[in-house]
Amino acid sequence: SAVISQKPSRDICQRGTSLTIQCQVDSQVTMMFWYRQQPGQSLTLIATANQGSEATYESGFVIDKFPISRPNLTFSTLTVSNLSPEDSSIYLCSAGSGTNYNEQFFGPGTRLTVL
Amino acid sequence: GEDVEQSLFLSVREGDSSVINCTYTDSSSTYLYWYKQEPGAGLQLLTYIFSNMDMKQDQRLTVLLNKKDKHLSLRIADTQTGDSAIYFCAESIKDYKLSFGAGTTVTVRA
Repeated sequence: SAVISQKPSRDICQRGTSLTIQCQVDSQVTMMFWYRQQPGQSLTLIATANQGSEATYESGFVIDKFPISRPNLTFSTLTVSNLSPEDSSIYLCSAGSGTNYNEQFFGPGTRLTVL
Repeated sequence: GEDVEQSLFLSVREGDSSVINCTYTDSSSTYLYWYKQEPGAGLQLLTYIFSNMDMKQDQRLTVLLNKKDKHLSLRIADTQTGDSAIYFCAESIKDYKLSFGAGTTVTVRA
């Protein structure tokens, strides 16, 4: 299995600022994803973080609002830009196991509150 | 398109079996998953099943898959208070991405 950590675990930010979330995997993985979980709701996929190329965004999510970096096979960042209260959510990264992409593990999440 | 549906709440007595049901729509899904989320925590992968299987058992967990009806269930035997959580069903869609249901909140009562 893959062990995934995220930083920060939670943050409170002001409207108009940005927050960058880090995701670290304990082994090299090909697939990394970013999800959003709005309060009391399920998870929605934001984007696939591709190593060495631009992230692939899902419908409704754009690079200007959610820039993603993936500099290597163990690390990715998600930035949530120009924050508004509607961005208050839990943001989770996930990774497929290095040997079995179908085993997908999640980080503990970053709880963002925007005032 | 992808759409995963689950009942929202389940209350079960400690020691009884819990059965959580899920339906999905993407017939091309190759894997189906059950995740557990405890309060304030991330998602824990409980189990997953390949679409050409109809059952998978792992200790207290039994997954049943009816591919014809696109119905997935998770049975937890001898439910304990530590099983109280939200359980998410998910299906694999294109490129290893997952589509999640709304989650079933399981409450275990003494």
